[in-house]
Amino acid sequence: AQSVTQPDIHITVSEGASLELRCNYSYGATPYLFWYVQSPGQGLQLLLKYFSGDTLVQGIKGFEAEFKRSQSSFNLRKPSVHWSDAAEYFCAVAPNYGGATNKLIFGTGTLLAVQP
Amino acid sequence: SAVISQKPSRDICQRGTSLTIQCQVDSQVTMMFWYHQQPGQSLTLIATANQGSEATYESGFVIDKFPISRPNLTFSTLTVSNMSPEDSSIYLCSVTLDLADTQYFGPGTRLTVL
Repeated sequence: AQSVTQPDIHITVSEGASLELRCNYSYGATPYLFWYVQSPGQGLQLLLKYFSGDTLVQGIKGFEAEFKRSQSSFNLRKPSVHWSDAAEYFCAVAPNYGGATNKLIFGTGTLLAVQP
Repeated sequence: SAVISQKPSRDICQRGTSLTIQCQVDSQVTMMFWYHQQPGQSLTLIATANQGSEATYESGFVIDKFPISRPNLTFSTLTVSNMSPEDSSIYLCSVTLDLADTQYFGPGTRLTVL
């Protein structure tokens, strides 16, 4: 069965420091890959996605993610974290069924805290 | 992207009652989905709302407990029936604009069952 693993439940970084959130997936083929962010009391906002092509994808708010097929990973990075980045981050995969995306499978999330 | 609204944004309900959650999109969409997110947990897909036909439920979710309607391409409802405290959760709808596209999420409905 497909699964998504986010090994870090909680991460604390200092403002201005770099950030990397890990995501590994289990799936027989290359799925569609997503990162979403959820601020307290809010819905999910899409940060970035990978469908095909360049394995380094740029997203909103200065985030990027790199797809590494050999490691089945899609780690999220940001070079300099801002206090407003404090939120919960979810990695998700969608099995690639003939080009249709459905049934997003989410990881358990990583809660990011930012220290002044 | 699409602008998605949900009603109500939150509710507190008594055990044994039912609540219907509405999801409205500002444009016609291809697919609509319903997820739930229990406290401190990740999101789990409940069902895919199919326009003009019965919803497709994921394993562990049944129509009697979570009846879903989708009368057109911009609107869907999810009913949580005969509620128990275990149904306390955030319920989110999501949509795709095309088949091979991103899912965009509504703001969610926070449900507390006493």
